Amino acid sequence: GESVGLHLPTLSVQEGDNSIINCAYSNSASDYFIWYKQESGKGPQFIIDIRSNMDKRQGQRVTVLLNKTVKHLSLQIAATQPGDSAVYFCAFQKGGGNKLTFGTGTQLKVEL
Amino acid sequence: NAGVMQNPRHLVRRRGQEARLRCSPMKGHSHVYWYRQLPEEGLKFMVYLQKENIIDESGMPKERFSAEFPKEGPSILRIQQVVRGDSAAYFCASSPEAGPRYEQYFGPGTRLTVT
Repeated sequence: GESVGLHLPTLSVQEGDNSIINCAYSNSASDYFIWYKQESGKGPQFIIDIRSNMDKRQGQRVTVLLNKTVKHLSLQIAATQPGDSAVYFCAFQKGGGNKLTFGTGTQLKVEL
Repeated sequence: NAGVMQNPRHLVRRRGQEARLRCSPMKGHSHVYWYRQLPEEGLKFMVYLQKENIIDESGMPKERFSAEFPKEGPSILRIQQVVRGDSAAYFCASSPEAGPRYEQYFGPGTRLTVT
């Protein structure tokens, strides 16, 4: 069946360090992989996405890497800041479909 | 341009009562999605609606849950005869068009507590 899972439930990093959040998935039929950030008491906020025909995509301070061979997705945050503290979810979407399938989330804690 | 709006933000219901959750999509968006989030879990898709039509309800429980998106007004997620297991955060998202190319913008959620 379809599933998206995360390796680490909590990640603590020092301010200024780089953060890497990982996600494993089982369904090969997905076309889009997306990272969302959810702060306490708020709805998910889109960070960055990547299509299945790409291996890497960069945004502002964030990079998403997709390894289809081992079905692994990662989010790298450069120079992590206190404002990055949140729960991060990976999600995927099939081409032609509309619903998002979410992983269980990783709590990122930034220590000063 | 206001974002997706949901109300109420918090809703408390006793077992057996009805819960009505409202979602106003972003201006210009005619596609609405509802997701449910249990504590410390990811969001689970419930239903996808376009104006006046239910497109995909594969994530909706078979009983007690219904959703609508009328021609005028907000989308409504209705839960009849609530039980404690319905306690969760319910998020609505909207997009201008359907498909993975179009980002789904999420509202702040409604936190339902069933006592």
